[in-house]
Amino acid sequence: EAGVVQSPRYKIIEKKQPVAFWCNPISGHNTLYWYRQNLGQGPELLIRYENEEAVDDSQLPKDRFSAERLKGVDSTLKIQPAELGDSAVYLCASSFGITGNTIYFGEGSWLTVV
Amino acid sequence: DAKTTQPPSMDCAEGRAANLPCNHSTISGNEYVYWYRQIHSQGPQYIIHGLKNNETNEMASLIITEDRKSSTLILPHATLRDTAVYYCIVRAGSGNTGKLIFGQGTTLQVKP
Repeated sequence: EAGVVQSPRYKIIEKKQPVAFWCNPISGHNTLYWYRQNLGQGPELLIRYENEEAVDDSQLPKDRFSAERLKGVDSTLKIQPAELGDSAVYLCASSFGITGNTIYFGEGSWLTVV
Repeated sequence: DAKTTQPPSMDCAEGRAANLPCNHSTISGNEYVYWYRQIHSQGPQYIIHGLKNNETNEMASLIITEDRKSSTLILPHATLRDTAVYYCIVRAGSGNTGKLIFGQGTTLQVKP
């Protein structure tokens, strides 16, 4: 069974440019998470979806970050415009439901803003 | 949300048991303890979780104290591939639900 798939794996962009990350969760998983991990730190939750509804986006910097999960399956996370401080690993994760189910992570998308 | 405290780093000899401690003194009665690890350049990998009973799976064992204020993850026969950052997490929310809140973790270095 395929795990959580993310792309691109690596991205280097200049500041003020836009960037988008894509995530395909494990088949059948209705809960999807986006985390951000800065160098040397643990991951921090940006947003959580239940199907196509964003149920926790309190940590998402809404001035430049946006996310969508239109059909309740794949999701995209966008940054526009990117800033130097956005350099980090963006992790997607998924789980089946929210009650007592393990959260599985993808390999992450490594963003460097120069 | 209950917080966890872990030593920043530990060493272990290859083939020996690695015992990784975690303190979670403010854990609520219905919160679970989860362990994940992150090998360099990869996403976090689920290891094991438990509520109050000891748990064992093919990867590790989890020992939770009777008062639930601390736990120990045991890798019975550490290999070089077990070198990683290990995160002890009390899962936020009611019961076994909600988001994972990561701390700094313990960097385990397995040495030949």
